Amino acid sequence: NAGVTQTPKFRVLKTGQSMTLLCAQDMNHEYMYWYRQDPGMGLRLIHYSVGEGTTAKGEVPDGYNVSRLKKQNFLLGLESAAPSQTSVYFCASRTGISSGNTIYFGEGSWLTVV
Amino acid sequence: GDSVTQMEGPVTLSEEAFLTINCTYTATGYPSLFWYVQYPGEGLQLLLKATKADDKGSNKGFEATYRKETTSFHLEKGSVQVSDSAVYFCALFYGQNFVFGPGTRLSVLP
Repeated sequence: NAGVTQTPKFRVLKTGQSMTLLCAQDMNHEYMYWYRQDPGMGLRLIHYSVGEGTTAKGEVPDGYNVSRLKKQNFLLGLESAAPSQTSVYFCASRTGISSGNTIYFGEGSWLTVV
Repeated sequence: GDSVTQMEGPVTLSEEAFLTINCTYTATGYPSLFWYVQYPGEGLQLLLKATKADDKGSNKGFEATYRKETTSFHLEKGSVQVSDSAVYFCALFYGQNFVFGPGTRLSVLP
């Protein structure tokens, strides 16, 4: 059972560099999310998608872009990385209401911007 | 907006002690409530959930009851084990998105 898979797991970037985090889910979920987790702040929603071809801003979208070209994939991009974007990033996908609106998380991507 | 408040800890207990982690929420409607657990180096995993008032969620000896009158969903376990050491997140779901609490770190000592 693959579930939600994130790549890469670890990455070190220099300030100003760009990168893309890839999230893939094999559960045929419509809803997908990108969160960041910082000490003492819990999980904060960056962007989300309610279906293929759709994206929407969450609580902390600045400095990030996303795309959902295929239902199973949700990409998170950093165009010009900043030290404030050093964090652990979690992708998640969610079942619909008939399955209890349960959210499933990937294992996380540790990003350091120096 | 919707929000979740939980004791931030850290909470340190001896093995076989009783555990309570408090969680209260603010929501405009009637959300579903969840507890998630995060072990070191891993993503969050669903521990239990409740979808309406007075529902009790339970799993692996953990329990929580959806209390609408006190807007609470406290997590309890009668006898904790060292393997329960983790960070616990209370969360609500309403509309399209989840709102998570800040997490409570639990350490259980042998």
